[in-house]
Amino acid sequence: DGGITQSPKYLFRKEGQNVTLSCEQNLNHDAMYWYRQDPGQGLRLIYYSQIVNDFQKGDIAEGYSVSREKKESFPLTVTSAQKNPTAFYLCASSITRDRGYTFGSGTRLTVV
Amino acid sequence: AQRVTQPEKLLSVFKGAPVELKCNYSYSGSPELFWYVQYSRQRLQLLLRHISRESIKGFTADLNKGETSFHLKKPFAQEEDSAMYYCALIINAGGTSYGKLTFGQGTILTVHP
Repeated sequence: DGGITQSPKYLFRKEGQNVTLSCEQNLNHDAMYWYRQDPGQGLRLIYYSQIVNDFQKGDIAEGYSVSREKKESFPLTVTSAQKNPTAFYLCASSITRDRGYTFGSGTRLTVV
Repeated sequence: AQRVTQPEKLLSVFKGAPVELKCNYSYSGSPELFWYVQYSRQRLQLLLRHISRESIKGFTADLNKGETSFHLKKPFAQEEDSAMYYCALIINAGGTSYGKLTFGQGTILTVHP
């Protein structure tokens, strides 16, 4: 069953801690993306990667970091520098621009 | 910079009534536009693409370059259409075949029985 898997579904973090969100896909897609979804603001792009070992900042990259060591995996680290990390995070992948994206089921991060 | 605007946060209609979800965009290039839908407790999924000129679940959307709009329409709404709808625009990311999607703020559609 091909698709994108995000884990965990819910994550709680204490202030000042870094936390890593997992995103794995078995669709053989080259491009992968991380979005943040907040009520009333739609989805905002954090980072994206078009190829292994390469990635670019999106619109709200401050306080986040990523890596792309394997085609299948694109983990997102929310660092302590992110001032408002509580949000719903969505990972996506695509094969070509006109096919649209395939999304994961999301991770809800709460800072306590 | 590209921008997608969905002016209605909430839209309510009755079953069988026509529905139109508005989407306007600003982009200097040639846009590729999409509608995504998120049903309750389900993941965000592609509804339709302007490039394919298709009709999915009775929904259609026409790209109007003069008005820079890509409104989503359905002549007879059904209760199962209740969901969050996002309009999105893709731009070329560095000249490759992949694109970065820019999303609107989303519209929550509620279809009452």
